[in-house]
Amino acid sequence: SYVLTQPPSVSVAPGQTARITCGANNIGGTSVHWYQQKPGQAPLLLIYYDIDRPSGIPERFSGSNSGNTATLTISGVEAGDEADYYCQVWDSSTNLPVFGGGTKLTAL
Amino acid sequence: QVQLEESGPGLVKPSETLSLTCTVSGVSISSSYWSWIRQPAGKGLEWIGLIYTNGNTEYNPSLKSRVAISVDTSKSQFSLMLTSVTAADSAMYYCAKYRDGVIVDWGQGTLVTVSS
Repeated sequence: SYVLTQPPSVSVAPGQTARITCGANNIGGTSVHWYQQKPGQAPLLLIYYDIDRPSGIPERFSGSNSGNTATLTISGVEAGDEADYYCQVWDSSTNLPVFGGGTKLTAL
Repeated sequence: QVQLEESGPGLVKPSETLSLTCTVSGVSISSSYWSWIRQPAGKGLEWIGLIYTNGNTEYNPSLKSRVAISVDTSKSQFSLMLTSVTAADSAMYYCAKYRDGVIVDWGQGTLVTVSS
């Protein structure tokens, strides 16, 4: 079954670009979805099917997926982007979704 | 706009059954797939299970022996039952709308504590 590996934390200065990775063997062969969870709030769908953004999600948020790593890129990081970010895939062996462990983004 | 609202007891005794309900508005409950997800305090997300439009269910193997998800279309609600709970089941429980492998909408969550 899938095990998704995310770095526990990522720190960037405001205005810079943050890259949050999600690793698994041949993850590029499946679709990856990303969620943002701000403190005290429910998660929010940020990116789906590797690169698509739901309506209302700023273009600053983008995704990519190839080989063994999927990446969420946040351009021009703002203080309001501080949150936990989770990747998720569908595990066909269990017929259930699987989450990564989450990455805490800090805007220094 | 889809709205999901969880409800149920915030405190459950060990060994008893946790029961939660999610009330759905803004969309027909019969036309979508629904799921439950939980998050222990300070920890990551854990998928509990999901229910398809035909009533079929899929559960997290680690919880499968204790969990049941059902739908009441007349009330536009779906429910979670988790039996024989322990302190490890204390968490924020989210109901969610699921589509094609993606969780597209989330409820605000309800906190459940297992304690005597």
